[in-house]
Amino acid sequence: AQKITQTQPGMFVQEKEAVTLDCTYDTSDPSYGLFWYKQPSSGEMIFLIYQGSYDQQNATEGRYSLNFQKARKSANLVISASQLGDSAMYFCAMREASGGGADGLTFGKGTHLIIQP
Amino acid sequence: NAGVTQTPKFQVLKTGQSMTLQCAQDMNHEYMSWYRQDPGMGLRLIHYSVGAGITDQGEVPNGYNVSRSTTEDFPLRLLSAAPSQTSVYFCASRGQDRGPGNTIYFGEGSWLTVV
Repeated sequence: AQKITQTQPGMFVQEKEAVTLDCTYDTSDPSYGLFWYKQPSSGEMIFLIYQGSYDQQNATEGRYSLNFQKARKSANLVISASQLGDSAMYFCAMREASGGGADGLTFGKGTHLIIQP
Repeated sequence: NAGVTQTPKFQVLKTGQSMTLQCAQDMNHEYMSWYRQDPGMGLRLIHYSVGAGITDQGEVPNGYNVSRSTTEDFPLRLLSAAPSQTSVYFCASRGQDRGPGNTIYFGEGSWLTVV
């Protein structure tokens, strides 16, 4: 079974609209972290935002926020007021505390977001 | 800020050739790792190291060797390249805190084609 599922292979969004990228996860570990990375066409992996399983509040970083619904095992990324520069691949990833030395960072297959003017 | 530096950025190899992808970080991070990214997929862990002199296998280790003689460097070796190793390779590092919230930082990627 996949540990990280991103159900939207691609999305087209109008500039300045808000965007929600879906991510669901599967783990039996009570301690875990959820990450979102952005990969523009240049290829680098850019860390965006982190949510810990014990965090009481949803994480926010500038225009990025994470809609964390623990009971539903979902960690959707919300981008407010989208910009043309937001066009990129977005990956959801999880690290389980039980991953030990291997770090346990598991990635979803990504969502290709295209912002249209 | 150099962060995580990978070289080369692009490489074409013939089947059977060997090569080394270099990775260096200047953040004094204990943990370093190598991932590969194939089309339509997220990153998959190849090998990792929790400190100098210590390495271990990740999810897809076959065909790759690593060593960690210093904290800064973590080279990835392909001993006999195969077309199946055509991929984008990412080196990553994080600090010693093994808690789930410790962010992993990635290099810019190395595009490898094996013909």
